[in-house]
Amino acid sequence: GQQLNQSPQSMFIQEGEDVSMNCTSSSIFNTWLWYKQDPGEGPVLLIALYKAGELTSNGRLTAQFGITRKDSFLNISASIPSDVGIYFCAGQLPNTGNQFYFGTGTSLTVIP
Amino acid sequence: GAGVSQTPSNKVTEKGKYVELRCDPISGHTALYWYRQSLGQGPEFLIYFQGTGAADDSGLPNDRFFAVRPEGSVSTLKIQRTERGDSAVYLCASSLTNDYGYTFGSGTRLTVV
Repeated sequence: GQQLNQSPQSMFIQEGEDVSMNCTSSSIFNTWLWYKQDPGEGPVLLIALYKAGELTSNGRLTAQFGITRKDSFLNISASIPSDVGIYFCAGQLPNTGNQFYFGTGTSLTVIP
Repeated sequence: GAGVSQTPSNKVTEKGKYVELRCDPISGHTALYWYRQSLGQGPEFLIYFQGTGAADDSGLPNDRFFAVRPEGSVSTLKIQRTERGDSAVYLCASSLTNDYGYTFGSGTRLTVV
C-alpha cells in the first residue's frame, strides 16, 4: 500500500504552546484529510483539503495542502489538554474512488 | 441513528473460528466503508459499499474476508478461519454520497487467540 510518512511520531508539549505536524508521501494525492483519534474511539475528521495550496482553518487548527500535492501539514495553536490524542493524516490518490490511505499517526501529549 | 454503531465492541475468538462484525451506518448515508487498524498504525482500507454493492473491495487481504450490505444500510464483515494476525480494531464509517467527511464508528476490537 501507499506510504504516508507522518512526523513527528510523538510530541510532548506544555499547555498553551503551538504544535506543528506534517505528512509526506512519494505519491501525488487529490485530497488530504486530518483526523484525531481518542483511545477506544474511531477517528474524527478535523479538516479536509481538496486542492494544492489550500489553507483551511477550523478554530485553533490550520491545515495546508502542499503545492507539490505530496505533503500536508497541521498546526494547532494555543494547545489545551483536550487536544491530547493521536492525529492522522489521510490522502486519496487520483482515480481510486473513496479509498483513503492513512499515516501512522502523531501522538500528542499536552502537559497542563 | 445519531452515529455509526458497531457491534460487538469487543470480540475474542479462537484461531480457526468464524466471526461476524456488524455496522449500522448513519441513517441516510449511502456510502459505507470498512477499515482495519492494527496497534500503533493508521486505519487500512478494506472495502467500500455504495448502496448494496461493493464498489471497491481491493483492500480485503484474502478470500477469508467477505462483507455484505444486502439492504443498503447495515453491513456485516465476515471473517472465516480466523488467524492471530487478524487481531485488530475493525472500523466502519459512513458518508453521504461523494462526501469525503465520513464518520467512523468506535470500532470492534477483534482478538484471535
